[in-house]
Amino acid sequence: DAGVIQSPRHEVTEMGQEVTLRCKPISGHNSLFWYRQTMMRGLELLIYFNNNVPIDDSGMPEDRFSAKMPNASFSTLKIQPSEPRDSAVYFCASSRSGGGGEQYFGPGTRLTVT
Amino acid sequence: LAKTTQPISMDSYEGQEVNITCSHNNIATNDYITWYQQFPSQGPRFIIQGYKTKVTNEVASLFIPADRKSSTLSLPRVSLSDTAVYYCLVGDTDSNYQLIWGAGTKLIIKP
Repeated sequence: DAGVIQSPRHEVTEMGQEVTLRCKPISGHNSLFWYRQTMMRGLELLIYFNNNVPIDDSGMPEDRFSAKMPNASFSTLKIQPSEPRDSAVYFCASSRSGGGGEQYFGPGTRLTVT
Repeated sequence: LAKTTQPISMDSYEGQEVNITCSHNNIATNDYITWYQQFPSQGPRFIIQGYKTKVTNEVASLFIPADRKSSTLSLPRVSLSDTAVYYCLVGDTDSNYQLIWGAGTKLIIKP
C-alpha cells in the first residue's frame, strides 16, 4: 500500500493567490482528515469526512478555506485568497473507522505564502 | 468539551524508561486513548491505543487507571532515535466526533 498521498509536497505562492492541496487516502478507509500544523498553534484538526461527507468543519479557520471530497479516493483543501498567516504544514490523514481509531498520515504539504 | 493536557517537554537518557502522562478529565464513555509519535518533517505515526488498564505492544506500553482521567505512555529503554514529539488523542473509534489532540510533548533523549 502506498499510504496516504499528498500533493504538492511544497507550495510557495503570493498573497492573494488560490492554493489547492490534494490528498489520496488509503484505499478502503472511510474517514479522511485535514490538519494544519504550525510552531505557534501546534496540530489543528480543520475538517473531517466520513464516507465522503463532511462531518465537522468547525476547525476551518475562516471562509477562505474550503474542503471537498468528491469520491472515496480524493480530497482537496482550497485556500482562496491565501494570506501569509496561512503558511504552515498541512497534513491529510485517513482511517478505517472514526478518528479515534488509528489514523494514517500523509507526508504533508509545506505551504509558504509570501 | 474534553481537553487533553500533556507536559510541553521532557528530557531523558539512553537506556532509561520514559513515562509521558496525558490528562483527560472529561473523557467520554466511548472514547479511546491513542498515542502518536512525530519526527521532524513527517506526519504523526500511531504508537499504541487503549481503553482501560494496560496495553503493551512491541514499542510501548499504555497505562490507564480505572477512572480513565489520565493515561501514561511508557517507552522502555529509550534510544536517541526516540527523540520526537508525542501526542495523545482522545476520541471515539466509531465516529469522528470530539477528537481531542494534546499539544504534544517534545521528548529529547541524550546520550
